[in-house]
Amino acid sequence: DTGVSQNPRHKITKRGQNVTFRCDPISEHNRLYWYRQTLGQGPEFLTYFQNEAQLEKSRLLSDRFSAERPKGSFSTLEIQRTEQGDSAMYLCASSLLYEQFFGPGTRLTVL
Amino acid sequence: EDQVTQSPEALRLQEGESSSLNCSYTVSGLRGLFWYRQDPGKGPEFLFTLYSAGEEKEKERLKATLTKKESFLHITAPKPEDSATYLCAVQAGGGATNKLIFGTGTLLAVQP
Repeated sequence: DTGVSQNPRHKITKRGQNVTFRCDPISEHNRLYWYRQTLGQGPEFLTYFQNEAQLEKSRLLSDRFSAERPKGSFSTLEIQRTEQGDSAMYLCASSLLYEQFFGPGTRLTVL
Repeated sequence: EDQVTQSPEALRLQEGESSSLNCSYTVSGLRGLFWYRQDPGKGPEFLFTLYSAGEEKEKERLKATLTKKESFLHITAPKPEDSATYLCAVQAGGGATNKLIFGTGTLLAVQP
């Protein structure tokens, strides 16, 4: 399978814990994006990388959220001190140009 | 502010009953308009990109069209397997952003 992969697929955590998600993009894609989606809503942009450089961050991305793409390949999204409002599907996408291809997502539940 | 509005929120069709989904947008210079299909619990699946008014794209029973203010996704003779949420997104031009701005989607149910 040469699509975008995300791990884990599901994560249940307690409020206040830190969590980290991983995204492996399509191999030749140099652009990588993170989105968040809650029930009944469309995906909401969080951040964008071109190669290893983080070029765009949403104003909605609080200081508790950090993303990295150290070698321009896979990316990680960390949420520190999770809150119940962080419960959502976290989606990763990659692109060569404009068409973004999404992974299956990581479903986060904060208890 | 860039915005995408989709209608209807939900649509129930009988198998074979053709219809259209609407996506209205306000964006500061459109770079592209994108249609995705999303099944429950899965990530969005790319369907089409439209770049300029008058452009049309087709794939099986789906046809997407674009005007300066809206896009339509026409579904011809739908089958139960076409049941899904259809998402519309825009990307603004000008080079300042690469993010997609999504609507809330249309939940399509096709009954046999």
